[in-house]
Amino acid sequence: DTGVSQNPRHKITKRGQNVTFRCDPISEHNRLYWYRQTLGQGPEFLTYFQNEAQLEKSRLLSDRFSAERPKGSFSTLEIQRTEQGDSAMYLCASSWHEETQYFGPGTRLLVL
Amino acid sequence: KNEVEQSPQNLTAQEGEFITINCSYSVGISALHWLQQHPGGGIVSLFMLSSGKKKHGRLIATINIQEKHSSLHITASHPRDSAVYICAVKEGNTPLVFGKGTRLSVIA
Repeated sequence: DTGVSQNPRHKITKRGQNVTFRCDPISEHNRLYWYRQTLGQGPEFLTYFQNEAQLEKSRLLSDRFSAERPKGSFSTLEIQRTEQGDSAMYLCASSWHEETQYFGPGTRLLVL
Repeated sequence: KNEVEQSPQNLTAQEGEFITINCSYSVGISALHWLQQHPGGGIVSLFMLSSGKKKHGRLIATINIQEKHSSLHITASHPRDSAVYICAVKEGNTPLVFGKGTRLSVIA
């Protein structure tokens, strides 16, 4: 197993465009987490899934954000009508229940 | 919501020095994590602990539940230890709450 992967690694978009990021977790992990990290700050929780069920969403996740994990494997995070404030590193992590989380390399988003 | 504070924010050390990074939190927790983040963003989990002390190679993590405080120690520091070290805490089923990180630079 190659660990958690995320695509794309970098995304530059214009304000108002929609973007979608993908996360492939470690295959046997049932939990998948999305975090956002801005420069000089620690990561902030956005949402997490246990299998295909989205169990919790942060208030940071406005209605322009949606996440799915349709078959309990990979997950997508979509941001509609991007704003400059959405510029950040989007991190995905996976775990087996409450055990150690393994992080992906992140997707760096720049909204112009 | 738990407040996580780390100190120092930035730390520069000479190769071989003993390093200590501190983390304090405001509300009782079920687990505390120490993470390492290298330039480019990749995060690696170093320790997860709920009491006492853990050691892995040159890294040692301790936690004092009563004082709501944890420390990460690096012995015989090396330039490859240069990274951002992040403390994160968890209460029960709530999501991880992260500190802002401590940026460590080890100079040869």
